[in-house]
Formats: sequence, structure tokens, C-alpha cells
Amino acid sequence: SQTIHQWPATLVQPVGSPLSLECTVEGTSNPNLYWYRQAAGRGLQLLFYSVGIGQISSEVPQNLSASRPQDRQFILSSKKLLLSDSGFYLCAWSRQTGEQYFGPGTRLTVT
Amino acid sequence: RKEVEQDPGPFNVPEGATVAFNCTYSNSASQSFFWYRQDCRKEPKLLMSVYSSGNEDGRFTAQLNRASQYISLLIRDSKLSDSATYLCVVSRAQKLVFGQGTRLTINP
Repeated sequence: SQTIHQWPATLVQPVGSPLSLECTVEGTSNPNLYWYRQAAGRGLQLLFYSVGIGQISSEVPQNLSASRPQDRQFILSSKKLLLSDSGFYLCAWSRQTGEQYFGPGTRLTVT
Repeated sequence: RKEVEQDPGPFNVPEGATVAFNCTYSNSASQSFFWYRQDCRKEPKLLMSVYSSGNEDGRFTAQLNRASQYISLLIRDSKLSDSATYLCVVSRAQKLVFGQGTRLTINP
């Protein structure tokens, strides 16, 4: 069966500090991978998605970036965090059939 | 106008009641349809896919009306454990678009 891991589970970072969140998927190959953010009390916002190694599509211009160095690894980064970057960051994977499966998420607080 | 619209609720219903949620979507090119469930401070989890012919999974029934572009979810004999936020989701071009969610609380 497939599993998806995200770490860390929670993170408190000061404004202006860098960020690196990692997501890995097990039990499947060549998945589509996604990064979402959910602000407190809000819906899910798609940030990036990837259909293969090195292929990244950005949905919303911002100070975040994503990379996919390996087939089942997806990384979300920032060089300098803003207060508005606080939120619940979710990684998801899917096959071609459309439904997506989410990792446990990282709760980021920028102070 | 949001691409997927849901009544945010909250819906407060007694245990054992039947509750129904609707959602509408604006993009007629939407290809697949889903309901997800999200517990407080947790990740969304797939509840069920929604098919044009309608489909049932235990106490849950989902319907899709492509002509009117709305999706529904019916929960029968509700349990305390059904308390959660229910997300209506449509897909197009390998991406999912999420509604804001409908918050449901089942009361004992």
C-alpha cells in the first residue's frame, strides 16, 4: 500500500528565515505530487504540482519554490519567510485517476 | 465567483438524523468529482468519488447532476464520529479544486 510522509509536523520560524519542508511517497512510482497551503479557517490553496522529476508548475506567485529531486520526493522551500506564510502545509500524491491522498501536514507558524 | 461553492454551515444535527449537503461548480470542463472529509487540524481524507449514476457507500450517498453542475452528499443515521468538515472537490487537468467546506457537528 502507499504511504505519504511529511516532516516536520510543526515548525515555528522567525520572519526572514529560510524554510524547507519535505514530502516522500512510498509504494508507488511516478506519482503526481502537490503542495497545498491552508490558512487558519480557510480552504486549500494549491501552490505547486509536479508530474515528474524536475517538472514543477507554480499556481500562485509568491516567495515559495518547490523542487522534485527524485521520483517520490517533493520539497517546498523559501529563502525568507513572511508572516503571511503561516499555515498548514499539505503534500498530496495522485495517480492518473484524479483522487489525491494527503500527508499529515506541517503546521508552520512564522513569528 | 468561486469555482466550487458550498454552504459553510455550521450544520448542527442530532445523532441519528439524516443530513444533506450540496455544492455547485462553475467549470463545465470539470472531469471528476469527490467528497473529502477533514477533521479539525488534520489532513483531508477521501470520503468517496461521485459518479453520474450516483453511488452509495454504507450510510453515505453521493449524487452528481452535470446539467445543473451540482453535487450532493447525503448522510443517513448520522454518528457522533461524522462530525467534521466536508469538502466538495472537482478535478480538471490533473488538479483538484476544493470548496471551502461545510462544517458538520453531530450532537448526542
